Amino acid sequence: QQQVKQSPQSLIVQKGGISIINCAYENTAFDYFPWYQQFPGKGPALLIAIRPDVSEKKEGRFTISFNKSAKQFSLHIMDSQPGDSATYFCAAISNSGGYQKVTFGTGTKLQVIP
Amino acid sequence: IAGITQAPTSQILAAGRRMTLRCTQDMRHNAMYWYRQDLGLGLRLIHYSNTAGTTGKGEVPDGYSVSRANTDDFPLTLASAVPSQTSVYFCASSDRPSGANVLTFGAGSRLTVL
Repeated sequence: QQQVKQSPQSLIVQKGGISIINCAYENTAFDYFPWYQQFPGKGPALLIAIRPDVSEKKEGRFTISFNKSAKQFSLHIMDSQPGDSATYFCAAISNSGGYQKVTFGTGTKLQVIP
Repeated sequence: IAGITQAPTSQILAAGRRMTLRCTQDMRHNAMYWYRQDLGLGLRLIHYSNTAGTTGKGEVPDGYSVSRANTDDFPLTLASAVPSQTSVYFCASSDRPSGANVLTFGAGSRLTVL
């Protein structure tokens, strides 16, 4: 059972365009929502994260929008660049039994074409 | 450079053979994790360790074992490899086991079981 549903599976965006990746969750115990960026042959790396008491967080060209009532959050990449081409994972974190449980989405492969 | 070192980078293994994937971190993080990454399934937790001397089962622990003899090392062992264990394996660490904190990932070990 996928507790964090991510879409789309793949995305092609023109350089300069806006990339949008969506995630939805069911478990209300999640209390932190990070996004990870993964380049080919590398491990995922934290990109940006948000807490559920905030509706939006922006860091440079990357913005997370969070809708607590709908249990949805999304990543927007403004002015997308070829260097943004990577796989993006949303995640949701809860604390259970004394350890941090991180549930990942299935990933979105983004390709930004010149 | 501080971080996580995984070895081997890739390995082809015959079914039934024993294999140990090595993971070493130099950040003195308390918590360590092993994930497997499969296309369309995202990252799934295999085992974790909150601190040296303790381990716990994650989402997909069957067929795998771990040990945490010290803070820095967290090897993952496949006692008798099967083709379904073909995957990319990522070791990760965080500075504390609970709360919202950043996971630092290694570069991964690609394992093919024939």
